[in-house]
Amino acid sequence: EPEVTQTPSHQVTQMGQEVILRCVPISNHLYFYWYRQILGQKVEFLVSFYNNEISEKSEIFDDQFSVERPDGSNFTLKIRSTKLEDSAMYFCASTGTGNSPLHFGNGTRLTVT
Amino acid sequence: GQSLEQPSEVTAVEGAIVQMNCTYQTSGFYGLSWYQQHDGGAPTFLSYNALDGLEETGRFSSFLSRSDSYGYLLLQELQMKDSASYFCAVIERNRDDKIIFGKGTRLHILP
Repeated sequence: EPEVTQTPSHQVTQMGQEVILRCVPISNHLYFYWYRQILGQKVEFLVSFYNNEISEKSEIFDDQFSVERPDGSNFTLKIRSTKLEDSAMYFCASTGTGNSPLHFGNGTRLTVT
Repeated sequence: GQSLEQPSEVTAVEGAIVQMNCTYQTSGFYGLSWYQQHDGGAPTFLSYNALDGLEETGRFSSFLSRSDSYGYLLLQELQMKDSASYFCAVIERNRDDKIIFGKGTRLHILP
């Protein structure tokens, strides 16, 4: 069964550094998402991406965040200058249509020190 | 905006039945989904309701009442492996590019 893959599984970075989290969505999916989950808390929506542009973003997704689909397969989340409070699990998800089930990757655990 | 309310924890006994509730407020509503998440894992899809009534998939059933802005997930014949967090998620009408999750219910199962 096709799956969403994310790399790396764990990223440690120093405060103020830039990080790029990478995702390969399921190949025939059209909608792409990033979610964040702070340990023990809920899954928080960050951004959705459709037709090569951001379609929706949350208040968490400020100017420090950006997303790109640089080629036909990868979907990246960049955090320009990481803060301690950015430490969380970041999940990428994709779906074929907007009301279809979300397929999540296994996440990248980001630790900012 | 949207808000979803779920009890934070529920405890049940192996072999029993458990119901986990979700109430929501949204400016538009398209459907309600349920996801399961084991510790350290990714959320996985369980069930989806767009219309009122019960959807059954094996030991899992999900119910929706649009007039009450309420849904629940029912798990039967509980097994220890069902110990996990369960999230309801709302898809907003005409905004199906934004799916918002509740805070989740942590299900503890006792032998």
